[in-house]
Amino acid sequence: QQPVQSPQAVILREGEDAVINCSSSKALYSVHWYRQKHGEAPVFLMILLKGGEQKGHEKISASFNEKKQQSSLYLTASQLSYSGTYFCGTEPSFGAGGYQKVTFGTGTKLQVIP
Amino acid sequence: SQTIHQWPATLVQPVGSPLSLECTVEGTSNPNLYWYRQAAGRGLQLLFYSVGIGQISSEVPQNLSASRPQDRQFILSSKKLLLSDSGFYLCAWRPMSQLSSYEQYFGPGTRLTVT
Repeated sequence: QQPVQSPQAVILREGEDAVINCSSSKALYSVHWYRQKHGEAPVFLMILLKGGEQKGHEKISASFNEKKQQSSLYLTASQLSYSGTYFCGTEPSFGAGGYQKVTFGTGTKLQVIP
Repeated sequence: SQTIHQWPATLVQPVGSPLSLECTVEGTSNPNLYWYRQAAGRGLQLLFYSVGIGQISSEVPQNLSASRPQDRQFILSSKKLLLSDSGFYLCAWRPMSQLSSYEQYFGPGTRLTVT
């Protein structure tokens, strides 16, 4: 089953913050986050592994709540370059069915305007 | 460093024609390999994945097939293309050694238009 992302779309002004959520119905081993610009391949942002860790990447960070099978991507002080579609990919835990298989949500379209 | 190649970059094929897309990874060994398809304006649909040579798992029953003849080569094929096969085909690789962090990286993609 693919993860569910919310919101589907968001418009921000430069400098504003945003949160993108990702939830799964299965126990998870990892959550992957990507950004895709129009016409290009998705670019890897970060991976969070089982253990409930939180990671950061410049002004973009993410958390993983293993018990709730949820992850959130935080974009702070947004820049024009943050525009694109954000995808979360989830990998079920070993024994949950589909271990090593990463399936993606439908994406969140983020537009940052001046 | 590791790189992933896909070719061709773009392809226009008539309905009913065969298809062969190739993906090759350099600078790593025994990676997991994945084929995804993205229809225009849509999400990423997992088609096939492979954890080793000759080991292919199919996610979507359809007229596509995949093969992994070598450790770092992954091929997507079809005997007869349908209009619905149009889309952006992405190959991805993932290091699975104990020393890696299991990140998954996408290739540049092949844009297929079936006419």
